[in-house]
Amino acid sequence: ETGVTQTPRHLVMGMTNKKSLKCEQHLGHNAMYWYKQSAKKPLELMFVYNFKEQTENNSVPSRFSPECPNSSHLFLHLHTLQPEDSALYLCASSQDGGTRIDEQYFGPGTRLTVT
Amino acid sequence: ELKVEQNPLFLSMQEGKNYTIYCNYSTTSDRLYWYRQDPGKSLESLFVLLSNGAVKQEGRLMASLDTKARLSTLHITAAVHDLSATYFCAGLQGAQKLVFGQGTRLTINP
Repeated sequence: ETGVTQTPRHLVMGMTNKKSLKCEQHLGHNAMYWYKQSAKKPLELMFVYNFKEQTENNSVPSRFSPECPNSSHLFLHLHTLQPEDSALYLCASSQDGGTRIDEQYFGPGTRLTVT
Repeated sequence: ELKVEQNPLFLSMQEGKNYTIYCNYSTTSDRLYWYRQDPGKSLESLFVLLSNGAVKQEGRLMASLDTKARLSTLHITAAVHDLSATYFCAGLQGAQKLVFGQGTRLTINP
């Protein structure tokens, strides 16, 4: 596979469930990102990881828990979500050149519905 | 904090016509990005504009950047149906945070 892949592509979960979203990048990049795209807001950055270390948490509620075991994989663990968390969750990666990033490449997204 | 605003948010146009999408941003941004998103699909990178006066063209799309006016434009020439999509601009806040505009949903009618 090439580029950035995400699984699952669609997920329906109840508010008491625990689930995880997975992202894998095959581009040799060292930075990975989670974004949320909902119907009524612009695309929002959630988390940034550089070299497996979290460098940005954009005031995301603790019911979202990211994990980055290595530079190629990124997870988003979900628990006790609310219906307003229903959205498209996009993963992206980039090559961090030091002070400025190269462009970000996005995965296909996971469409999450919380019932 | 960087804010990015696009206009129009919705644009319906006929094939063969020209039009421009505008992207205003509130504070200094070293780079300006344009992305395309088809329904149900992910974001595809179109352009990265790095400096004042930068102009890039790909097919019927041309993007430009005026850092003094804090304005980027995406110009569509002789539109075709295949260009129907949602277009996003994004500025860079700090080293890695992309701040996106609301998106412009473009529909091109035969």
